[in-house]
Amino acid sequence: DIQMTQSPASLSASLGETVTIECRASEDIYNGLAWYQQKPGKSPQLLIYNANSLHTGVPSRFSGSGSGTQYSLKINSLQSEDVASYFCQQYYNYPNTFGAGTKLELK
Amino acid sequence: QVQLQQSGTELVKPGSSLKLSCKASGYTFTDYAMQAVKQRPGQGLEWIGYILPWNGVTDYNQKFKGKATLTVDTSSNTAYMELSRLTSDDSAVYYCARSGYPLGYFDYWGQGVMVTVSS
Repeated sequence: DIQMTQSPASLSASLGETVTIECRASEDIYNGLAWYQQKPGKSPQLLIYNANSLHTGVPSRFSGSGSGTQYSLKINSLQSEDVASYFCQQYYNYPNTFGAGTKLELK
Repeated sequence: QVQLQQSGTELVKPGSSLKLSCKASGYTFTDYAMQAVKQRPGQGLEWIGYILPWNGVTDYNQKFKGKATLTVDTSSNTAYMELSRLTSDDSAVYYCARSGYPLGYFDYWGQGVMVTVSS
């Protein structure tokens, strides 16, 4: 199975700040990567797919980048509604695997 | 709008089986794969498997083979997941999610169903 190592595990940031979350795959996943946001008590919501494509309706302050084994999610100008956990997922090969998540809080 | 409506919270006894439902609306049910995902409290996400509603083909994470069985009823646009021989390790939130391909990202998710296995 492809292992997804996500960092940091938790993050505290101020409103308006730029935040970056990283995900490293154990092998090349050829941009087969998605990012999800999960608010407490809610289901995950797709933010980014194919490493850098923004899902319909997702604010443009979210962006994804990377290639090979290294990927990142950037949130520009952090808003209060961005407080959530964030997960990466590789879908290059079976089984789909997820990162352990990053919990984002306000400072 | 795309909606995946899952059945409600379940409390079941160890050793029993359980069938969860996921009713799809707002899109053509047979045009997309249906995925199943497990999330234990405070934990990450685990992919269980998928079913292709147009032909019933399934594939499972090796870890869940023998534990989970996915089926569909295309007349009611509903996917089902049966969990067997339940133990405390099966206590979790279970999600259904739609994907455009068997191996792909999950663009819409159900609200999740909390399953608690306890005597």
